[in-house]
Formats: sequence, C-alpha cells, structure tokens
Amino acid sequence: EVQLVESGGGLIQPGGSLRLSCAASEFTVSSNYMNWVRQAPGKGLEWVSVLFGGGSTYYADSVKGRFTISRDNSKNTLYLQMNSLRAEDTAVYFCARGKTLSWAIFDYWGQGTLVTVSS
Amino acid sequence: DIQMTQSPSSLSASVGDRVTITCRTSQSISSDLNWYQQKPGKAPKLLIYAASSLQSEVPSSFSGSGSGTDFTLTISSLQPEDFATYYCQQSYSTPPTFGQGTKLEIK
Repeated sequence: EVQLVESGGGLIQPGGSLRLSCAASEFTVSSNYMNWVRQAPGKGLEWVSVLFGGGSTYYADSVKGRFTISRDNSKNTLYLQMNSLRAEDTAVYFCARGKTLSWAIFDYWGQGTLVTVSS
Repeated sequence: DIQMTQSPSSLSASVGDRVTITCRTSQSISSDLNWYQQKPGKAPKLLIYAASSLQSEVPSSFSGSGSGTDFTLTISSLQPEDFATYYCQQSYSTPPTFGQGTKLEIK
C-alpha cells in the first residue's frame, strides 16, 4: 500500500529554520512528481512546491527564495527545507504525490506535520 | 493565478439526499479540475480528477461534470461518511490553486 509519512514539524521562532521529511513506501520518490501542500489552521489548502522526477522544481511565490524542496533517493524520502520562517507559514504541511497524468493532481497524501512559527 | 470560487460555502443535508457543489474558475481551464474530500484532522482524499474521472476505490455515488469555467461535484445519495469538507482544485496552470472549501454538515 502506498504510504507517505511526514515528520519534522514543531514550534519555531520567526526567522528560524526547519526541515520537514516525507518518507515514502511502495513507490519510488525519484520516479514520481512530489509536492508539498499546506493548510493554515482552520483555512483552506495552499500548494507550496513540486519536485519533478528529472529534478526540476517550482515554488509558490509566497515561499520562493525561502523554501527548498529536495529528495534523498537512497532513503526514498522527500524534504522541505524552510528558512526565514514567518508567522504566516504556520500550517499543517502535507506531502502529496502527483499522478502520472499530471503532476498537479494529488493522488496520495501523508497525514501532515504541524509547523508553528511563533515567539 | 487562477481564482477558484466554490458555492455554497456550507451546506446542511440529510442521509439519502442528492447534493451538488459548484466550482467556478476565473478563466477557462478546459477539464483540468479535481475534487477532494477532507475530514477533520485528516489529509485530503482525491475523489474526482479531470472533471469527471472517478479516482480508484471512490464510490460511484460521487460524480463530476463541467468544462471551461463551471464545474459540479454531485453526491447522488449521501451516506454518513460523506459529511466532510470538499475542495475543488485546478491543475491547468502553475500554481495549482484550490477553492475555499464547502463544508457539508448533517441536517
């Protein structure tokens, strides 16, 4: 069964850094489109970033220059390095796989990890 | 960015009811429209992709239609487990964007 498990969330001060992980099982991260999507408390869903199998990356304007998506093929794990964190980055962060049909159709999701940016 | 507008924002219905949720986009997106279901504290679940294709293992009581700028999600006969929040999302252009959600509650 396809599974995605996020970790690495927590409480961090504004301006700080955090790295989220998403461990995948029953499929290969490097052969798939992998995304991060976030949801602020009580709010809707916001796409954050995508990593293509070939290595191309794209980011939402709200995180461009501060967040970096990457993967470790040997660990079959996706990462999101978050720097210069702001209060508005507070959210549950989900990793999500893109369907083969389109990278922006999210067919499997992790359970999410909560990031709270506060002093 | 493409703006997504769902209606209604909330809806009360009873088990067995037929329910329709609408999603309108700020520009034409062909059929690149997807629907997700989210229950409290859980991850979203893909229900419908490409406007009308049913995701694997999703009950056939869910259906989607539309193209261009106007789309609908229909639940033909509500079951207790269908009470949740529903989101539309466009995969036509970058960045992918979501509607604000429709909360479906038990009447």
